[in-house]
Amino acid sequence: EVQLVQSATEFKKPRESLRISCQASGYSFTNFWIGWVRQVPGKGLDWLGITNPRDFDTRYNPSFRAQVTISADESTNTAFLHWNTLEVSDSGRYYCARLPELGAGFDAWGQGTLVTVSS
Amino acid sequence: DIQMTQSPSSLSASIGDTVALTCRASQTISVYVNWYQVKPGKAPKLLMYIASKLQSGVPSRFSGSGSGTDFTLTISSLQPEDSATYYCQQSYTSPHNFGQGTKLEI
Repeated sequence: EVQLVQSATEFKKPRESLRISCQASGYSFTNFWIGWVRQVPGKGLDWLGITNPRDFDTRYNPSFRAQVTISADESTNTAFLHWNTLEVSDSGRYYCARLPELGAGFDAWGQGTLVTVSS
Repeated sequence: DIQMTQSPSSLSASIGDTVALTCRASQTISVYVNWYQVKPGKAPKLLMYIASKLQSGVPSRFSGSGSGTDFTLTISSLQPEDSATYYCQQSYTSPHNFGQGTKLEI
């Protein structure tokens, strides 16, 4: 069974750093892209970017490129989303998701990680 | 960036009805559109990919069509569990933006 298990809820202050994780199981990690999507209540879904764990090819949404870094560790089948400096506007629920190939849709999703940034 | 515009933003329908949700891309994207169903407190669920391919496990009363800039998700024989917000997404070129969603009430 394909599973993407994400790290727990985070409460952070502005200007702090953060890394959330997504551990994959049930499939060959390097055969699929992994992406990150943000959901803000009342505001829909934002595509942050995707990474290929096989060759580390990473594509970002320019609207988020300055804020986040996407990475993956083949040795632990884990993808990461990292912020150096959080802002209140980074608050939201972040989902990781599996992408079979470029051009396809995200066919498996993690349960989401809620990130709240507040002073 | 390619923008995706969905219509209507919300609609109400009855059990057994057929509804059509539309999505328009700001430039041609061939058939690279995906559709997701999102329910409160749940992760999105892929329904259709590459415009008309039904994701495994999704009921056949969901169907997709379109190419170029205009796309449609059709849901026939509506069931109570179809109440959700539906999003289209283009996967033609990065960033793979989503539409703003259509909220469907049954």
